Amino acid sequence: EAGVAQSPRYKIIEKRQSVAFWCNPISGHATLYWYQQILGQGPKLLIQFQNNGVVDDSQLPKDRFSAERLKGVDSTLKIQPAKLEDSAVYLCASSLDRIEAFFGQGTRLTVV
Amino acid sequence: DAKTTQPTSMDCAEGRAANLPCNHSTISGNEYVYWYRQIHSQGPQYIIHGLKNNETNEMASLIITEDRKSSTLILPHATLRDTAVYYCIVRGVDSWGKFQFGAGTQVVVTP
Repeated sequence: EAGVAQSPRYKIIEKRQSVAFWCNPISGHATLYWYQQILGQGPKLLIQFQNNGVVDDSQLPKDRFSAERLKGVDSTLKIQPAKLEDSAVYLCASSLDRIEAFFGQGTRLTVV
Repeated sequence: DAKTTQPTSMDCAEGRAANLPCNHSTISGNEYVYWYRQIHSQGPQYIIHGLKNNETNEMASLIITEDRKSSTLILPHATLRDTAVYYCIVRGVDSWGKFQFGAGTQVVVTP
């Protein structure tokens, strides 16, 4: 079974630039999560989708972060404009039944 | 808000059992205890979860106290590949329970 695919694996941008991350969940998984993991910390939930609807985006900095999940499958997370403190690993996860979540390898973002 | 308390780090000898404690004194009746681990440069990986009863799978065993205020994850025969950060998570599975990660326990398995 193919896992959660994320791209790119690494990204370096200058502050105030824009960046987008892409996630392809496991086929058939209705729930999709985006997490932010700052170095030395546990992952923090940014947004949770159920199919293409948002279930929880309470911790998403909406002035600069946006996410969408078209047709309830792939998802993109965008940061515009990026700040230095956005440097982190961005993890995507998906779940079939909300019992177990499967994580991708993440995208490591460095803002300079 | 952290719902769990875990030691920051622990060492374990290869081949021995690793016992990872977790305190969750404010757990409510409909919340499960989950364990995930994260090997360096990888995404978190599910290990096991339970509600009241002890659980065992091919990776580990989960022992939950009778009052459910604490639990222990047991890796029966630790290997070098078990070196990782282990997260204990309390999660409600009714409605849209999210996985809230704390700082976890850094486990280092030594030869």
